[in-house]
Amino acid sequence: QLHLQESGPGLVKASETLSLTCTVSGGSFSSNSYYWSWIRQPPRKGLEWIGEISSTGSTNYNSSLQSRVSIYVDTSKKQFSLRLSSVTAADTAVYYCATHSGYYDYWGQGTLVTVSS
Amino acid sequence: QSVLTQPPSVSAAPGQKVIISCSGSSSNIGNNYVSWYQQLPGTAPKPLIYDNDKRPSGTPDRFSGSKSGTSATLGITGLQTGDEADYYCVTWDSSLRAVVFGGGTKLTV
Repeated sequence: QLHLQESGPGLVKASETLSLTCTVSGGSFSSNSYYWSWIRQPPRKGLEWIGEISSTGSTNYNSSLQSRVSIYVDTSKKQFSLRLSSVTAADTAVYYCATHSGYYDYWGQGTLVTVSS
Repeated sequence: QSVLTQPPSVSAAPGQKVIISCSGSSSNIGNNYVSWYQQLPGTAPKPLIYDNDKRPSGTPDRFSGSKSGTSATLGITGLQTGDEADYYCVTWDSSLRAVVFGGGTKLTV
């Protein structure tokens, strides 16, 4: 049973870089079965896939964010992280980290990131 | 504009049955597995169905999933007020090389 917890600043200034970390506990972080994923949800809107990284380091990103996003993993710390550059008000959202092993089986509680001008 | 199309809202009385549809194309639903998630207000989404029709442990058998061609459906029987939530379908899109979500359906009981 995995437990995921997002952490990072709740307020980011426009044009700067949003950085979030997801800490994983309670299971094997090195499992080859998982993709470590980021998903976001703007206020009062639906879910949007940001991207994912496998345990081998291969990544897939939402093409609409690809030029601004990077996801990386630190196996020693059992963490994976999201960086989103040049943020605007449209990036204000609840950001979720989740594991994907065929489906999104474990989710963090989510963290609200507000982009301020 | 979501790649997968869901009705914005559905409603039914307690004890009744409801079906939520998710329509896509051959590049997504037509050739990939579909999963469904329930999002209660103010909480993270929770998996209900995976691989089109399988239930994770803990999902009541009141919830069922099916897929036919380029469409998938989530069925909920014996509706309870606690089922009021947003429901999302999700799959992989082979052309976009991306995970795609439906726009979500708000269920009112």
